[in-house]
Amino acid sequence: QLVVTQSPAASASLGASVKLTCTLSSGHGSYAIAWHQQQPEKGPRFLMKFNSDGSHIKGDGIPDRFSGSSSGAERYLTISSLQSEDEADYYCQTWGTGIVVFGGGTKLTVL
Amino acid sequence: QVQLVESGGGVVQPGRSLRLSCAASAFIFSNYGMHWVRQAPGKGLEWVAGIWFDGANRDYADSVKGRFTISRDNSKKMVYLQMNSLRTEDTAVYFCARAYRALGQFDHWGRGTLVTVSS
Repeated sequence: QLVVTQSPAASASLGASVKLTCTLSSGHGSYAIAWHQQQPEKGPRFLMKFNSDGSHIKGDGIPDRFSGSSSGAERYLTISSLQSEDEADYYCQTWGTGIVVFGGGTKLTVL
Repeated sequence: QVQLVESGGGVVQPGRSLRLSCAASAFIFSNYGMHWVRQAPGKGLEWVAGIWFDGANRDYADSVKGRFTISRDNSKKMVYLQMNSLRTEDTAVYFCARAYRALGQFDHWGRGTLVTVSS
């Protein structure tokens, strides 16, 4: 069964960096994922698609502060030089034949 | 720029029906799969349904299979979600999103429309 798992919460200080993790279920470690940001009271915003080979596509206007990486079945979103507006929920999305799956989201607090 | 605008939300009693619409603009609509994703109050994102770029295939989450129907009109650049036999647990903000061809990353989202199922 295709599942993606995220830690429910993360925090980091203003100006620092943070690395969020999305873990693909067993047998799905080669799947691509997408990261989405949802600021309070807003709709989601596409950040990037990240493939297991390291290739990626960013959404419109997404700054270089947002980057992706991977190791095995784990996909990472690193946000550097944290700003107050980065405080948001971050969702991991993947997809397979006839199905789309979201992780439970990580709530990022900027201290 | 790409726009997806949802409409049709509202308050409805359990067991009744509602139809949501999503109007697309500023992109070649017939090249994209279209999807509905919902978010219950205080909860995360849940994919609901998707339809391929040409309407040939439709996929549904188990939670709505048999009750919801997704459709599209490429000439009008519209996608619809017909929701029947609504339950209180269907209460959520419903977002429209696009993915190239069929399934893939959702690279643009609408702002959502709120559906409240309550007696």
